[in-house]
Amino acid sequence: KAGVTQTPRYLIKTRGQQVTLSCSPISGHRSVSWYQQTPGQGLQFLFEYFSETQRNKGNFPGRFSGRQFSNSRSEMNVSTLELGDSALYLCASSLDQGLSYEQYFGPGTRLTVT
Amino acid sequence: DAKTTQPPSMDCAEGRAANLPCNHSTISGNEYVYWYRQIHSQGPQYIIHGLKNNETNEMASLIITEDRKSSTLILPHATLRDTAVYYCIVRSRGAGNQFYFGTGTSLTVIP
Repeated sequence: KAGVTQTPRYLIKTRGQQVTLSCSPISGHRSVSWYQQTPGQGLQFLFEYFSETQRNKGNFPGRFSGRQFSNSRSEMNVSTLELGDSALYLCASSLDQGLSYEQYFGPGTRLTVT
Repeated sequence: DAKTTQPPSMDCAEGRAANLPCNHSTISGNEYVYWYRQIHSQGPQYIIHGLKNNETNEMASLIITEDRKSSTLILPHATLRDTAVYYCIVRSRGAGNQFYFGTGTSLTVIP
């Protein structure tokens, strides 16, 4: 089975712009979660989608949003980019919800905001 | 949510077993213990998880104490490729199923 894929892998944007990141989960996985990783804050949860519905959201401003499509693919959008949004954005997929289901992570998208 | 405590760093000789401890003294009965690792700038890699019983797979073994207040991840024969940051995570339904990654243990395998 192919793993979680994320596109693009690297991105450079200017402050004030917006960006859309894409994630394709492992085939058959219905849950997709997004995380932000920075040197100062570590790995932080952004949100989780399951069957096209946002199930849970982390403590991030409304500039961060996401969606999930009927084929479980997911996108996240960051509007009005700030320098502090420079980070590694990770997507993880899981077969189903529930505490016993492990998440598998993609390689991440490295976003640099200048 | 149950908090985990891990040593910030450990060394292990190549070929020897690496034993990574984790303390989760406030864990609740329905919370799972997960282990992930992250090699620099890559996505975290799932290793193993368990609820009460010890678990083993092709990568590692997970030993959970009977009172569930601590656990140990065992890499039986460490290689240089096992050098990574290892995260012990207690996953709680109260946290909306999300994973809380702490600071982890930086394991260095020495040739």
